[in-house]
Amino acid sequence: NAGVTQTPKFQVLKTGQSMTLQCAQDMNHEYMSWYRQDPGMGLRLIHYSVGAGITDQGEVPNGYNVSRSTTEDFPLRLLSAAPSQTSVYFCASSPEGGRMRNQPQHFGDGTRLSIL
Amino acid sequence: DAKTTQPNSMESNEEEPVHLPCNHSTISGTDYIHWYRQLPSQGPEYVIHGLTSNVNNRMASLAIAEDRKSSTLILHRATLRDAAVYYCILRGGGADGLTFGKGTHLIIQP
Repeated sequence: NAGVTQTPKFQVLKTGQSMTLQCAQDMNHEYMSWYRQDPGMGLRLIHYSVGAGITDQGEVPNGYNVSRSTTEDFPLRLLSAAPSQTSVYFCASSPEGGRMRNQPQHFGDGTRLSIL
Repeated sequence: DAKTTQPNSMESNEEEPVHLPCNHSTISGTDYIHWYRQLPSQGPEYVIHGLTSNVNNRMASLAIAEDRKSSTLILHRATLRDAAVYYCILRGGGADGLTFGKGTHLIIQP
């Protein structure tokens, strides 16, 4: 019963490098999202998707790209890493995007990313 | 989503009940009250949610005030494993994710 799986767990990048954070869920959930969490803060929404082929921006989308070609996967791409993107990144999913008021979200264990 | 207010931190003893308060005076009639917790070095974990009536599950109970302007998460018998940051979040309509504040840091003393 894997739930939401994020890889890698840790990553160190140099400024200007690009990379993709992977997120996969095996619960057939329509809705998936990416958050970042900076030290001592709550999570902030980066991008989200209500189904395959549909993505939208959250609160802090700049510097990140997403795509949703399958229901299971929702990768997050850093195009040109900057020190300000040093953070812990969490992926989440829930069954239905449009009627989320009474549905819990399931989170992965996070990717800890450092940009030097 | 409407704003919530929680104490920055609370301390309790192991095996005693814990009552975590949350104020949400601007809640709308269709907002659900959700609670999540985040253990150290882990992702947030769903705890419980409710709309108007009190709710119970295997992890906790949620007591909702009659005017819905406040709620209380109740851990009936705290263990050391319950030490975490607890977030109270209001969910209205729309697909734009959860709005996390700073939450309440719960410290459990042995």
